[in-house]
This record gives sequence, C-alpha cells and structure tokens, in this order.
Amino acid sequence: SAVISQKPSRDICQRGTSLTIQCQVDSQVTMMFWYRQQPGQSLTLIATANQGSEATYESGFVIDKFPISRPNLTFSTLTVSNMSPEDSSIYLCSVLEVTGTQETQYFGPGTRLLVL
Amino acid sequence: SQQGEEDPQALSIQEGENATMNCSYKTSINNLQWYRQNSGRGLVHLILIRSNEREKHSGRLRVTLDTSKKSSSLLITASRAADTASYFCATQGAQKLVFGQGTRLTINP
Repeated sequence: SAVISQKPSRDICQRGTSLTIQCQVDSQVTMMFWYRQQPGQSLTLIATANQGSEATYESGFVIDKFPISRPNLTFSTLTVSNMSPEDSSIYLCSVLEVTGTQETQYFGPGTRLLVL
Repeated sequence: SQQGEEDPQALSIQEGENATMNCSYKTSINNLQWYRQNSGRGLVHLILIRSNEREKHSGRLRVTLDTSKKSSSLLITASRAADTASYFCATQGAQKLVFGQGTRLTINP
C-alpha cells in the first residue's frame, strides 16, 4: 500500500493567517484527495487534487479558502487561508490505489490544526 | 447523498466479547470500506468489500454487505483492549469515498 506523509503533523495558528499542509506519497498516484475532520466528527471531502489542473471542490468548499496545488503525481499541498477558529480540524491527505479492479483509498497521518 | 449512517454511535463491551457495528447508505456503490481511527490519528484501512460480494473475512474481522438493504456490518471477534478506536464505514462510487459518522468502540479490560 502507498505510504503517505504529511507536514506539519500539527500546528497552532493565529486567526487571519494561512497554513500550507504538504502531502507526499512514496509512489505515483492518479487520484489524491483532501479531507477535513472537525472535532468529534467524521471525515468530509474538501476536494480532489488533479495533477496539472485545478482541483475539484466539493459543495461548501471554495478555492479562495482552500487553494490546492498538485505539481506532480506524488505531491500535493492544501492551504487553509485566512483562518478562523472554525477551521480547527484534522486535515487528511488521501490517495486512491488501484490494483487490478480493486480501488482502495489510503490516508496520511493527518495534520492537526488549532486556530486561536 | 450516499453518506453512510452507522449505529451504534458508541459501543462499550468487555474484552473477549464480540463487537458488531452497522452501516447503512442511500445510493448504489462500487464498494464499501471500513476504517479504524485511534484517538484522532490517521485512518487505517481495515477491509474492502465489493458490491458483488456478500461477506469477507480478515483475521478477527468479518464484514457483510447487503446491497438490497443498502447496509453493511463489521464484526470484531474476541475483542482486545487495542481494538478501542473509532470505526468508520465509507462507500465508494464514482471514485469518491463518502464516510459515515462512525462508531466509537471501547473495550473494557
């Protein structure tokens, strides 16, 4: 299975600032995703990071707030812009691995963000 | 929305007992996956069951899928303290994975 790392693992930020989270995969993958998990909640898909083109955002998420880069098939970044305390969450990077006809999605360890 | 709904929301059992968690969803799927999350850490993929499968085993895990009822269950046999975690089902369709709300499982020694 793909090995996914994220940086930073956690951060405490002041409101109004921005944080960029990095996701690195040990193999080339076509599909990369970014999820948010608010305290005590389940995971919500923010966007699909497309290599070489703009990310595809889910309802309720916009590019100005969560700009995403995907410069190649092993790396992506998510920026949380103009942060407020409501952005305090765990942000998880995920990749889709396809083996034959089976598609399995793996997750990074997450970035725990606290906004004061 | 094809978001899964899980029950119970929380389950507390004694070590050695079996734990069963259920998941229901709303639309057709390609597969259904179960994940475990320990104390707000990353998700660990447990098992995937395809839409044309009815039952799957992996170690102490047994997953069933009933597409006519749009439901799945995860059974953990002979539970251990280390099984204490949150368990999420996630349905996959059109390459998107949609998560249920999760079941918080506590194994008491």
